[in-house]
Amino acid sequence: GESVGLHLPTLSVQEGDNSIINCAYSNSASDYFIWYKQESGKGPQFIIDIRSNMDKRQGQRVTVLLNKTVKHLSLQIAATQPGDSAVYFCAEKRTDSWGKFQFGAGTQVVVTP
Amino acid sequence: KAGVTQTPRYLIKTRGQQVTLSCSPISGHRSVSWYQQTPGQGLQFLFEYFSETQRNKGNFPGRFSGRQFSNSRSEMNVSTLELGDSALYLCASSLAQGHTGELFFGEGSRLTVL
Repeated sequence: GESVGLHLPTLSVQEGDNSIINCAYSNSASDYFIWYKQESGKGPQFIIDIRSNMDKRQGQRVTVLLNKTVKHLSLQIAATQPGDSAVYFCAEKRTDSWGKFQFGAGTQVVVTP
Repeated sequence: KAGVTQTPRYLIKTRGQQVTLSCSPISGHRSVSWYQQTPGQGLQFLFEYFSETQRNKGNFPGRFSGRQFSNSRSEMNVSTLELGDSALYLCASSLAQGHTGELFFGEGSRLTVL
């Protein structure tokens, strides 16, 4: 039969506003987390990462927050721009897992003018 | 520096056929991982190669296989194709050991099985 697609949560944001994308991770042994952005027709692109010994890391217009107690990760995008429209994925792994990441389902971000 | 290159970008096959996808990692990257992306299952890990050895394998049937060459280039093969194998197959490379392991993805090979 036909498979049912994942229902991607959608976040609609007005241009210039801040965006917050949330992610619940599953493995308490994970010690490295990444946010990726995927635009239509392209492969995922690295945004920012954070290790489990940190709870916050900032990049250019982006901040990642990690709450290990509740296994929650968030990505904040400041002053959202039309070019930020994409699907955002969180991913987790143990450092010794090298290239084997567990990806979240993704959040579709739509920036409106 | 050139990114991860995947070929072919698009291909159409019929059930029962086999397919080989190719990936050239970023120069200097010795680890190559493969992921399958579908609307139904999202991004799922297939396998990872380092120094021509499979280091990790995901939960996929034996019809999915791969290999890595001495120049770090990698191929994956899917035999006896099924309709459900229609997906975007993504290759990613990384510096691997001793590094945080950020993955650099290619644009993917979109496989359609009819």
